[in-house]
Amino acid sequence: AQSVSQHNHHVILSEAASLELGCNYSYGGTVNLFWYVQYPGQHLQLLLKYFSGDPLVKGIKGFEAEFIKSKFSFNLRKPSVQWSDTAEYFCAVNARSGAGSYQLTFGKGTKLSVIP
Amino acid sequence: EAGVAQSPRYKIIEKRQSVAFWCNPISGHATLYWYQQILGQGPKLLIQFQNNGVVDDSQLPKDRFSAERLKGVDSTLKIQPAKLEDSAVYLCASRPDKSSYNSPLHFGNGTRLTVT
Repeated sequence: AQSVSQHNHHVILSEAASLELGCNYSYGGTVNLFWYVQYPGQHLQLLLKYFSGDPLVKGIKGFEAEFIKSKFSFNLRKPSVQWSDTAEYFCAVNARSGAGSYQLTFGKGTKLSVIP
Repeated sequence: EAGVAQSPRYKIIEKRQSVAFWCNPISGHATLYWYQQILGQGPKLLIQFQNNGVVDDSQLPKDRFSAERLKGVDSTLKIQPAKLEDSAVYLCASRPDKSSYNSPLHFGNGTRLTVT
C-alpha cells in the first residue's frame, strides 16, 4: 500500500520568506501526485498536480512543486510567502490500491503560519 | 458549478449513541468518497462508491460504520454506536467517474463530530 510522509508538522515564516515543504511517498508503480491546501474554516482545495511530463509543475498563487522520481519526492515551493498563505498543506498520492481501485492517500499535513 | 454539500456542519453526541452524515456530490459526479480526518492527521479513506456500488470499503470499520448511496447520487455515512476515538471531521469528496483517476477530488466542508 502506498504511503505519504510530510516532514514538517508546523512551519512558521515571516512574510517574503521562501517556502519549501517536503513530501515523500512510497509506491513502486506509476503515481499521480497532488498538493491540497486547506485555509482556515474552508474545505480542501487543489493547489497543483503532477501526472506526467515536465517534473516541475506550477499551481495557483505562485506555488510550484518538483517531482523527483529517484527520490520519491514531490516538494512544494514558493519563493515569497504572504500572510494569506497561512493554511494547512497536504501532499497526496493517487495510486492503485490493493482492492484494485485508484485511491488518494494523504500525508499528515503541514501547518504553515506566516507572520506579517 | 455547486460544490459538494455536506450536513450537518457540526455534531456533538455521547459515546454509544448513533449519528448520520449526509453528502450530496457535484452533479454528474459518479464517484463518491468518504474520508475521516482525525485532528493532526491527513484524511483517511473510509469508503469509495461508483454510482450506487461500493468500490472499496477495506478501511471502513464495518462493526460500527455503514454507508450507502442507494440512488447513486447522495450518500449517508452512519456510526452506531459511536466511540470517543470517532471524534473527527468526516469529509465527502467526488470526482466525475472512475476512469478519471487522475482528476482531482472535490471536497465538501466536512462534518465535525465530537463524541463525549
